[in-house]
Amino acid sequence: QVQLVESGGGVVQPGTSLRLSCVASGFTFNHYHIHWVRQAPGKGLEWMATMPPAESYSFYADSVKGRFTISRDSSKSTVYLQMDGLRVEDTALYYCAREIGGFADWGQGTLVTVSS
Amino acid sequence: QAGLTQPPSVSKGLRQTATLTCTGNSDNVGNEGAAWLQHHRGNPPKLLSYRDDNRPSGISERFSASRSGNTASLTITGLQPEDEAEYYCSAWDSSLSAWIFGEGTKLFVL
Repeated sequence: QVQLVESGGGVVQPGTSLRLSCVASGFTFNHYHIHWVRQAPGKGLEWMATMPPAESYSFYADSVKGRFTISRDSSKSTVYLQMDGLRVEDTALYYCAREIGGFADWGQGTLVTVSS
Repeated sequence: QAGLTQPPSVSKGLRQTATLTCTGNSDNVGNEGAAWLQHHRGNPPKLLSYRDDNRPSGISERFSASRSGNTASLTITGLQPEDEAEYYCSAWDSSLSAWIFGEGTKLFVL
C-alpha cells in the first residue's frame, strides 16, 4: 500500500536551517507529484512546494519562495525540503502528500518548531 | 497568495444533508477543478474528491462533489457523528503556479 514517511523535524532557532525528508513506497515514485503541505497550530492547511517528477523545475508558495528548496532523489524514492532562514511563523506540522489531482495520500507529518 | 473562499462553519442535524461551498476564480476552481479533503485533528487529511467530481476508491457514496463555474460544492448526505470535521477545498492556480487551499469549513453534526 502507499506509504509516505516524513522525518527531520525538530526545535530550532530563528534563522537556522532544517532538511525534511519524505520516503515514499507502494507506488511508482516517478509517476507522481509529491507535495509538501503544512499546518500551523490552530490554522488551516497551507501548500508549500512541489517538484514534478523527472523535471528540473519546482513550484513554491510565496511565503517560502527563496528560503525553501524542494528536491527529489528517485534512487531513494525520497523528496526533500531544505528549509533555510527559518522564522517563528514556519512553526507547523509538515506533511508530504501524493497528488492524483488532489492530495490523495499523506504521511503522519513531522513537527517543526522555530523558537528562540 | 489569495486562497479559496469557504464558509467558516456549517451546522446540520444527524441524518440530514450538508452542502459545503468553495469559491475561487477562472484561474483555479473554474479552470482546473477542485479537490475536497476531510480533516480530523490529530490525523492526516483524507481526500474525498478530486478534479471536481471524482471520488477515490474507498470513499463513501454519501460524499459527492460538483462544480458550477468558479464555485465547487461538496454534498454529504445522511450525516453521521463521524462526519464532524474540518473540510478543505483545494485547487491548482494556473496564474500563481501554486496549489491553494480554502480556509476550511468546520462541519458540526448536531
